[in-house]
Amino acid sequence: DSGVTQTPKHLITATGQRVTLRCSPRSGDLSVYWYQQSLDQGLQFLIQYYNGEERAKGNILERFSAQQFPDLHSELNLSSLELGDSALYFCASSVGISPDTQYFGPGTRLTVL
Amino acid sequence: EDKVVQSPLSLVVHEGDTVTLNCSYEVTNFRSLLWYKQEKKAPTFLFMLTSSGIEKKSGRLSSILDKKELFSILNITATQTGDSAVYLCAVVNRDDKIIFGKGTRLHILP
Repeated sequence: DSGVTQTPKHLITATGQRVTLRCSPRSGDLSVYWYQQSLDQGLQFLIQYYNGEERAKGNILERFSAQQFPDLHSELNLSSLELGDSALYFCASSVGISPDTQYFGPGTRLTVL
Repeated sequence: EDKVVQSPLSLVVHEGDTVTLNCSYEVTNFRSLLWYKQEKKAPTFLFMLTSSGIEKKSGRLSSILDKKELFSILNITATQTGDSAVYLCAVVNRDDKIIFGKGTRLHILP
């Protein structure tokens, strides 16, 4: 158990819908990272927040957005969902700004029908 | 465009064998290279490499970075069935953007 929690574990929804994935980092970690993992694309970095501020951005679609709250938990919002958004979404956390040592959560499996 | 290429894509060996996994990269403003092991679910951190030629070791696993030739290797000696997993290589640039390779799927036969 890495100490990073993600909810829900599974999510099934329809195209065009909007969902919110939630992540609580390890106690004391200030950075939160979001990743998407699909079979064809592998693990893709989406975005990083550090202490409430956006820190680094990867291949995040405009339909996706994230935020980190004062209590350091983070949410990833996915809207206008498409079939291709079906994937495993991981959250990870680290103590500082650098992503060098991250601890991954168990992931949320999103299925878009 | 930044990219990380891992080879081989998959590998099947017998228990006790030694394996070498490769990771080459083209990244603007390299900062560090990371290795992860992914079994059934979430990746777990193995190594972080920032300097060329300095080997990192953890038990039967070791890794080294060559910043001139832009690659890293991960060695696993005396493999065990518990080493079966996908091994992921990632590179971090100075904007803290993280680029992952597609991974090497390693299967150890008993």
